[in-house]
Amino acid sequence: QSALTQPASLSGSPGQSIAISCTGTGSDVAGYQLVSWYQQHPGKAPKLVIYEVTERPSGVSDRFSGSKSGNTASLTISGLQAEDEGDYYCCSYAGSNTWVFGGGTKLTVL
Amino acid sequence: QVQLQESGPGLVKPSQTLSLTCTVSGDSISSGGKYWSWIRQRPGQGLEWIGYVYYTGSSFYNPSLESRVTISLGTSNNQFSLKLTSVTAADTAVYYCARGTGTVFGVVGWFDPWGQGTLVTVSS
Repeated sequence: QSALTQPASLSGSPGQSIAISCTGTGSDVAGYQLVSWYQQHPGKAPKLVIYEVTERPSGVSDRFSGSKSGNTASLTISGLQAEDEGDYYCCSYAGSNTWVFGGGTKLTVL
Repeated sequence: QVQLQESGPGLVKPSQTLSLTCTVSGDSISSGGKYWSWIRQRPGQGLEWIGYVYYTGSSFYNPSLESRVTISLGTSNNQFSLKLTSVTAADTAVYYCARGTGTVFGVVGWFDPWGQGTLVTVSS
């Protein structure tokens, strides 16, 4: 069970759109519609922003959206704002009642 | 509003057992469809799923930790616990408890909410 692969860092200017990729295998990301994304600010607990690949929890900005194609899931943040800066983690069901997270992406808003 | 709160020693000696408790408010750990989970984050690193316990008492663990971990329901006060034996410095991490929500697929779909986390340092 290996961690999902995410870019270590990304940056964007306010107002821009960015996409964070999350690459797994046929045993996790590609095999199930159970990818979720979490936002973490320094010293804080992770917060759910996307679940079941594309679903957005109530209270989460509609600037956050999710998608998946084959082994790769993506989190897109449109209209970047300063408050979006932080770490982002993907997570996928990996079969046999196990879950795997990505290594995390540090997003910087320039 | 559902809230989770971790508690336990912040310092554990190598080879000893790490024990943490998560207290849940706003939801019952005895109700179905929820999977009471532990997730950790080593310093400067990503998240690692440790395992979960269901209201029936059934539990599932990360294969890499399975030989050392036990997650169980508490005997009272809407709590569940984590025990990790034979700890080493590599087990130093912030430990989070979280609620997993079940899906129509019969497994956890996502983790929400999370506790604030508690730092456990393994050192003599």
